[in-house]
This record gives sequence, C-alpha cells and structure tokens, in this order.
Amino acid sequence: AQKITQTQPGMFVQEKEAVTLDCTYDTSDQSYGLFWYKQPSSGEMIFLIYQGSYDEQNATEGRYSLNFQKARKSANLVISASQLGDSAMYFCAMRGKGTGRRALTFGSGTRLQVQP
Amino acid sequence: GAVVSQHPSRVICKSGTSVKIECRSLDFQATTMFWYRQFPKQSLMLMATSNEGSKATYEQGVEKDKFLINHASLTLSTLTVTSAHPEDSSFYICSAREDSSGKNIQYFGAGTRLSVL
Repeated sequence: AQKITQTQPGMFVQEKEAVTLDCTYDTSDQSYGLFWYKQPSSGEMIFLIYQGSYDEQNATEGRYSLNFQKARKSANLVISASQLGDSAMYFCAMRGKGTGRRALTFGSGTRLQVQP
Repeated sequence: GAVVSQHPSRVICKSGTSVKIECRSLDFQATTMFWYRQFPKQSLMLMATSNEGSKATYEQGVEKDKFLINHASLTLSTLTVTSAHPEDSSFYICSAREDSSGKNIQYFGAGTRLSVL
C-alpha cells in the first residue's frame, strides 16, 4: 500500500524567506510520481511541481523546488522568497503504477502562513 | 497548466433531491478523471475513477448507486449524488489526468461545495 506522511500540520514563515515543507512516502512500486499541490482557502487544488522516481535531478518550477532523496523516501517542497499569497494548505501526493494505483494518494497537508 | 472546469461551485438542496456536478477538461483530452471528497480540515479521499467509455471504478465504501458517474466523452465526467441527505454535505472535487507528457499530472477543478438541508 502507498502512504504519504506530512508531519507538519502548520508552518510559519516570514515574507521573503525560504521554507521547507516535509513529505515522506512509502511504496513498493519501483516507478512512481510525486506531486505537490497548493490549496488556498477558495478550495481549488493548484498543481505546483512533479518529480518522477527515475528523475536524477531535483525538479524546479520557479520559486518551487523539490528536494528528492530517494533512499530516504522523502520529497520535501522548498519555497523560496515566500510571498503573502503563498499562505495556503500544501499537499504532497504520490501516484504509483498498475491498476488501482494510478490515482493520487495524498498526505494530510501542511498549512503554511506567511507573515509580513 | 491545463484547465479543468467544475460546476456548480456551490449547491444548496433539499434532502431527497439529486445533484449533478460536471467536470470538464478544457484544453486537453482526459481518458481518466477522478472524483474526490474532502471533509473540513482533512485531506482528499478518492471516491472513484472515471474511465471514458466504460464503467467507473469505485473505492471501497463508496456506494455506486448513490454516486453515479458518467464519462461520456474525453472532456466531460459527471457525478450525480442521488437522493442526497445531510450526511452527503461535503466538498467534492474532480481531477482530469493529462496523459500526453508522460507525467500523468492530475489537474483539478475548483470544487463543488454541497450543502443538503
């Protein structure tokens, strides 16, 4: 079975500083994908970044980067130069291969609050 | 990123009525869409996988006769909550899987907040 663990229910960060949101995962699949989504108070889920299990380099998308440590089974999200608009819930998710595992398994989420 | 449209964004209905929610991928074709449910301050729980041209696959504990899913085209999936009751009140959100890039990224709609009186 697949499992995603986010151990930080809430995080605070000062505007313009960097913040790391933790995510660890467990899977028996050799091939899998890791995702981060942002959910503002409006409820929509916004795709941020993707990391494939065979990707050798860490993924980056603008101010977002994913610190992928395969041996430790961790996929932490790093947000650089935090902005007030970054305040939201952040979910780590994983997709495996094979029937029944193509849907996403989500972690419990981390609420990030950016302070001015 | 790709755009997924979901509507209505909010529904208030009386107990016993049926509610239909639409999920459309606007700029890509999606053979597979997913329906999730989210309770307040909790994560997303997969309800079912919607497959274009075939029956949906439901997760354990989700009543298929209660939550009817139709995926009639490559850009549209609908979820109908039949005979809704107050316990069905929740936030329902769909996603469409983009297959062309090989990453199979799921793009989400904005969600539907259902309140059953």
